[in-house]
Amino acid sequence: DAKTTQPTSMDCAEGRAANLPCNHSTISGNEYVYWYRQIHSQGPQYIIHGLKNNETNEMASLIITEDRKSSTLILPHATLRDTAVYYCIVASSDYKLSFGAGTTVTVRA
Amino acid sequence: NAGVMQNPRHLVRRRGQEARLRCSPMKGHSHVYWYRQLPEEGLKFMVYLQKENIIDESGMPKERFSAEFPKEGPSILRIQQVVRGDSAAYFCASSLDLSSYEQYFGPGTRLTVT
Repeated sequence: DAKTTQPTSMDCAEGRAANLPCNHSTISGNEYVYWYRQIHSQGPQYIIHGLKNNETNEMASLIITEDRKSSTLILPHATLRDTAVYYCIVASSDYKLSFGAGTTVTVRA
Repeated sequence: NAGVMQNPRHLVRRRGQEARLRCSPMKGHSHVYWYRQLPEEGLKFMVYLQKENIIDESGMPKERFSAEFPKEGPSILRIQQVVRGDSAAYFCASSLDLSSYEQYFGPGTRLTVT
């Protein structure tokens, strides 16, 4: 599976959009981009996934560049409860998720 | 609909003892996955099971670790003769089927080996 690169940490103001970047320049054609998050001391939570097209659900939006070498997770209106570690994962297998260090997002009031 | 349940939430074992970690998947889910999170690291896949079958155990250490998912009852991750390096958070996840992109994770079991 392709390797991903994410910033170590980022801050976001409550109520504002949080844009989380992820680089996956070695992604191959059959690999999906998944986003999960892990709130402190809890198990990871699925957020969204995509292959080529942009995706949106009740939690977030996923923007994937045309060359698929990078993507951005958008939390439209961040709340304090969105403070967590966010993982960008690229995988061709549905079940073998490999979590890296992720981005620690801190939402501040 | 109850989520994925794991117990115990915290487990302390002395070196050389056995650790048994239990996972009850979400209702209707027949696919179970175990992951390990070492301190300050990301989660790593260990094993994927369906009822009575181990499908992929490529992430399991070769010795002392085993997993099962019997026809009845929870999935069990068993660690024999624990060592300090086994101290970690062990997470179980389940999914409805293999084509489901969402894995639902439990709260984890934090194993401490003294």
